[in-house]
Amino acid sequence: DAGVIQSPRHEVTEMGQEVTLRCKPISGHNSLFWYRQTMMRGLELLIYFNNNVPIDDSGMPEDRFSAKMPNASFSTLKIQPSEPRDSAVYFCASGSGGGPNNEQFFGPGTRLTVL
Amino acid sequence: GENVEQHPSTLSVQEGDSAVIKCTYSDSASNYFPWYKQELGKRPQLIIDIRSNVGEKKDQRIAVTLNKTAKHFSLHITETQPEDSAVYFCAADTEGGADGLTFGKGTHLIIQP
Repeated sequence: DAGVIQSPRHEVTEMGQEVTLRCKPISGHNSLFWYRQTMMRGLELLIYFNNNVPIDDSGMPEDRFSAKMPNASFSTLKIQPSEPRDSAVYFCASGSGGGPNNEQFFGPGTRLTVL
Repeated sequence: GENVEQHPSTLSVQEGDSAVIKCTYSDSASNYFPWYKQELGKRPQLIIDIRSNVGEKKDQRIAVTLNKTAKHFSLHITETQPEDSAVYFCAADTEGGADGLTFGKGTHLIIQP
């Protein structure tokens, strides 16, 4: 199993540009989570999906952020327009959603820099 | 919502000594408490977890204890080794891991040779 796959691994963009981060969860997992990590705020949950349905997006900082999960094997996190304060590492994680084995497996992350 | 406090933010111990990291949580409904280890530039990885129906869990040199009454849980690492150097995060969840985790701010553990 390749684990959770994220792309791109690094993204550098200019303020005002649209940014799309991609995630492929582990096959068979029915929960998918987007986290953001910064030095100041640590690891924060942005949004999570169960069975492709968004359950809680209260962590999404602003309307500039949106996430979709069109099918069980793909999710996107979009920032439009991007701002310098969005610079962070964005992690996607997947899990089996509350069963006996509840580990959330993290992807390698996307390091976003907004200039 | 849930709030997780973690202490200390930095911990330096001599190789071979024990290290203890402590966390408190606010939501009495939380029932799942994982610990993640994150090496520099890498992803967080689960090292141990505990559920609210258990007071203690051990896996070789690491152990976690949970006090539901006081709403705190701790990570214990014995016989520390250089490869234990990393940032450790505690987390809490009210749905047994089915929903998003609320993380502590992390502890940077430094193992002095």
